[in-house]
Amino acid sequence: TLMTQSPATLSVSPGGSVTLSCRASESIRSNLAWYQQKFGQAPRLLIHGASTRATGVPARFSGSGYGTEFTLTISSLQSEDFAVYYCQQYYNWPPFFGPGTKVDIK
Amino acid sequence: EVQLMESGGGLVQPGGSLRVSCAASGFTFSDFWMSWVRQAPGKGLEWVANIMQDGSEKYYVDSVKGRFTISRDNAKNSLYLQMNSLRVGDTAVYYCARDRLTRRVVGGVISNPDYWGQGTLVTVSS
Repeated sequence: TLMTQSPATLSVSPGGSVTLSCRASESIRSNLAWYQQKFGQAPRLLIHGASTRATGVPARFSGSGYGTEFTLTISSLQSEDFAVYYCQQYYNWPPFFGPGTKVDIK
Repeated sequence: EVQLMESGGGLVQPGGSLRVSCAASGFTFSDFWMSWVRQAPGKGLEWVANIMQDGSEKYYVDSVKGRFTISRDNAKNSLYLQMNSLRVGDTAVYYCARDRLTRRVVGGVISNPDYWGQGTLVTVSS
């Protein structure tokens, strides 16, 4: 199952909201996770099961979708939210990650 | 607090070997599947291999099969990746990750990592 993400880059002002898209080449039901990676740091799990926030993740991060279309919405962007976001499917072999969406400061 | 700390990265020539390690703490290591995920410079994430709690099952991405071996020592709370016949394309930061969830599917056992280490850089170059 191949994963695509759009857009590749998104420029946003602090305090704004963004919606990132992740698409699977075939249905993965709700077996999708979102990760945040800041420059020079390890990825951090944000969302699993398409919409369940991981431990300690702020409520401004929300995930939705099922099947082949998924979104990650970040509301009221904080300075620490500027990063690259990856989706990962864990339904079909092999466990592909998407290419990522970079969210940077406008 | 869950902590994963990789070590052992470095510069190696094409065709050479290297073993990277991961020391785990803050959780019961023997209760979890573990994975290695890598990231080439400036690129995205690529899952490499995973290993069952007791080490009896291991799965690999096709590009490293026959060259890389994942292993673990539960008594030492440690995970390892032995990399042989290294290629320039194996150059990456190698992350150790704890698997929150695994699914048995056709082809292998698929992982969804939750906690990740800070990574260790492996550079394959002449």
